[in-house]
Amino acid sequence: GENVEQHPSTLSVQEGDSAVIKCTYSDSASNYFPWYKQELGKGPQLIIDIRSNVGEKKDQRIAVTLNKTAKHFSLHITETQPEDSAVYFCAASPTGNQFYFGTGTSLTVIP
Amino acid sequence: SAVISQKPSRDICQRGTSLTIQCQVDSQVTMMFWYRQQPGQSLTLIATANQGSEATYESGFVIDKFPISRPNLTFSTLTVSNMSPEDSSIYLCSVLTGANVLTFGAGSRLTVL
Repeated sequence: GENVEQHPSTLSVQEGDSAVIKCTYSDSASNYFPWYKQELGKGPQLIIDIRSNVGEKKDQRIAVTLNKTAKHFSLHITETQPEDSAVYFCAASPTGNQFYFGTGTSLTVIP
Repeated sequence: SAVISQKPSRDICQRGTSLTIQCQVDSQVTMMFWYRQQPGQSLTLIATANQGSEATYESGFVIDKFPISRPNLTFSTLTVSNMSPEDSSIYLCSVLTGANVLTFGAGSRLTVL
């Protein structure tokens, strides 16, 4: 089955700096890659996703890149703000109703 | 996207008891799932809740421990039976909506003493 690895497990950045979280996957059939943000005491919220027919997608300060050949995808957050502090999860989906999650990255933005 | 309501949001339970978590969706959905998130860990799929039939459980999860009901396309329950401290987790209901987007509820935080 699919195996998703996520790095780093923790990340601290100064406010205004950029943050990058990377994930790799093993199943070449995976074609959908969502990213979730989980704030303390809340459920995961979808913040951005990308499908295998594109290499990059951007939404304001958040962008995701996908390299299908290397089987890795990354989340980029620019101009970080304290409210970006949360746990971020990547996921890969090979079938549309199966999702394999990474182990999470705890991001702290230092004011 | 779908709006998911889960209750209870949190509970503290005694060892050996059972707790039922409810999940209500504001629209009809075909696919509903239950996930477990142990403290500081990632998301683990417990089962797919099938409307009108028995749930489909993932490896390591059994119906006797986690019975699931799905009476219609907007509602499901997960029961955690005969609880032990190892069952202390966040239990998350999720649904698959248009374009296969997975949406989560706020979760039910369970502490077993």
